[in-house]
Amino acid sequence: KNEVEQSPQNLTAQEGEFITINCSYSVGISALHWLQQHPGGGIVSLFMLSSGKKKHGRLIATINIQEKHSSLHITASHPRDSAVYICAGSVLEKLTFGTGTRLTIIP
Amino acid sequence: DTEVTQTPKHLVMGMTNKKSLKCEQHMGHRAMYWYKQKAKKPPELMFVYSYEKLSINESVPSRFSPECPNSSLLNLHLHALQPEDSALYLCASTPSGRNTEAFFGQGTRLTVV
Repeated sequence: KNEVEQSPQNLTAQEGEFITINCSYSVGISALHWLQQHPGGGIVSLFMLSSGKKKHGRLIATINIQEKHSSLHITASHPRDSAVYICAGSVLEKLTFGTGTRLTIIP
Repeated sequence: DTEVTQTPKHLVMGMTNKKSLKCEQHMGHRAMYWYKQKAKKPPELMFVYSYEKLSINESVPSRFSPECPNSSLLNLHLHALQPEDSALYLCASTPSGRNTEAFFGQGTRLTVV
């Protein structure tokens, strides 16, 4: 069983919509990463969280340690936000990846 | 410089060839990683180097041979690969390996023919 579960697997939305991607993780994960991957491309780190909330531009990431749950929000979504978003948990030196959420923003 | 640079970007090799993938970072990071990613799947960890020493080998076949000549450079030597080894190979680095932000390269798209 994967230690990091992500939902939804696929998400299609209209430009301008508020987007939420969820991630649940198991015991033993000490920090949670949100990553972005464009088709055929490398991975960009968006956030690393061990508590609270972080914001960067239109992106907001939150984490609830008690519930072992994290969310990534995108406000005023734009077609250039279309990508795969991956949450990953830090376990010692390793990252355990979720299966990713494929986000498509339609103009 | 906050980049992890991987070369080449694309590589096509025959099953009898020997080739190498290169990864470089100049952020002073002391942990470096190789991942393999198949289409529409999350990355799978292959190797971790911590302070230039191999600390994790995820039971990777010996046809993949990692090397860390110095703290900025990580190589992956390839020999006698199989077509199923075709994938995107990603390099990453972190400042110290634990609970620190990971920086990824753009990957090498490998095709084994």
